[in-house]
Amino acid sequence: RKEVEQDPGPFNVPEGATVAFNCTYSNSASQSFFWYRQDCRKEPKLLMSVYSSGNEDGRFTAQLNRASQYISLLIRDSKLSDSATYLCVVVSGGSNYKLTFGKGTLLTVNP
Amino acid sequence: GAVVSQHPSRVICKSGTSVKIECRSLDFQATTMFWYRQFPKQSLMLMATSNEGSKATYEQGVEKDKFLINHASLTLSTLTVTSAHPEDSSFYICSATRDGGRTQETQYFGPGTRLLVL
Repeated sequence: RKEVEQDPGPFNVPEGATVAFNCTYSNSASQSFFWYRQDCRKEPKLLMSVYSSGNEDGRFTAQLNRASQYISLLIRDSKLSDSATYLCVVVSGGSNYKLTFGKGTLLTVNP
Repeated sequence: GAVVSQHPSRVICKSGTSVKIECRSLDFQATTMFWYRQFPKQSLMLMATSNEGSKATYEQGVEKDKFLINHASLTLSTLTVTSAHPEDSSFYICSATRDGGRTQETQYFGPGTRLLVL
């Protein structure tokens, strides 16, 4: 099983649609979770952190289910500018602190 | 937010030459920096973790003698790809944390360096 696995995508949606991304992780000891977005040929940029209690930032909602080792990202009322690759990121901590990235899911929002 | 720069942004070189990539944290001291590589349509893969003043820790499968990392100061880490070959062509991205991960803070990424080896 891959350490971090995401929907393969790609997703093509019209403007205004709601789209959901899913991610699972294999290491139950993982400590922190994030969603990043990466535009074509650019570096990843932090979108938001993910907590068990849920985290909402405008049109974006992220959720963590530790029992299922599952992370989600919901985008409401999608905009053209939301087109990007969305990366699920899991952090292992302690002496072996590192980020593990999912392969990413490409989203294209069409006019 | 924190700013990390990389230089050069892109480089084209002949097979067999060495290429040095610099990563700088511009507005904070980074005790730990990370080097990633990303092939087309693939995820970022961690190559090594670089701690200031000590040897880098390489991930499994990454040749330390080929990818030389130097973290000589709290704001600068360098990655040297020695005797580069076409299969080393990739997008190399560095990142930095302000606290080495103690508070599980995320990482701040540089803009990346696109390497093409002919």
